[in-house]
Amino acid sequence: DQQVKQNSPSLSVQEGRISILNCDYTNSMFDYFLWYKKYPAEGPTFLISISSIKDKNEDGRFTVFLNKSAKHLSLHIVPSQPGDSAVYFCAASGNQFYFGTGTSLTVIP
Amino acid sequence: NAGVTQTPKFQVLKTGQSMTLQCAQDMNHNSMYWYRQDPGMGLRLIYYSASEGTTDKGEVPNGYNVSRLNKREFSLRLESAAPSQTSVYFCASSELTGGYTGELFFGEGSRLTVL
Repeated sequence: DQQVKQNSPSLSVQEGRISILNCDYTNSMFDYFLWYKKYPAEGPTFLISISSIKDKNEDGRFTVFLNKSAKHLSLHIVPSQPGDSAVYFCAASGNQFYFGTGTSLTVIP
Repeated sequence: NAGVTQTPKFQVLKTGQSMTLQCAQDMNHNSMYWYRQDPGMGLRLIYYSASEGTTDKGEVPNGYNVSRLNKREFSLRLESAAPSQTSVYFCASSELTGGYTGELFFGEGSRLTVL
């Protein structure tokens, strides 16, 4: 059973606008959450993370929000750039890392 | 600084053949992982090694074996390949496993096709 879910397989956004990628999880014992970015024919690369004791973490254009009561996290990219076009995976850490199915983001110039 | 290196990058096998995917990391990480990525399934953990000398099953271990040869190297073996094992395989490493472990570092992936 999928413990981390990304219900939107794809998202298209105009350059300069905000991209919001969503992720839900089922296990309240997860204590650390991460977002990875993946370009075609490359391995995933770490983007940003958040501890379960926080509700927001910001790094430049990227902000991750965590709502523990709803078991939901989101990644905001502002402003979106064409180079942000990639597949984004959310992941949760317990005794191991659990990944969602990914959301393919396309930023339209 | 190579990070995580996987070989081979591409491989075509016939059903029943065996092969080993090799992985090495140069970051002195304790934990290493093998994932597979399939369309619509995301990244699924096959096996992991929390530290040198230990290995544990992940979500989809059937049909695979692993060896943590030393701290640097973690290999994945398919003893009798099946078409269902057609996938992209990623090796990853991290400083620790469990709880707050920081990030996973991934290799570039190995694309395996089983005919």
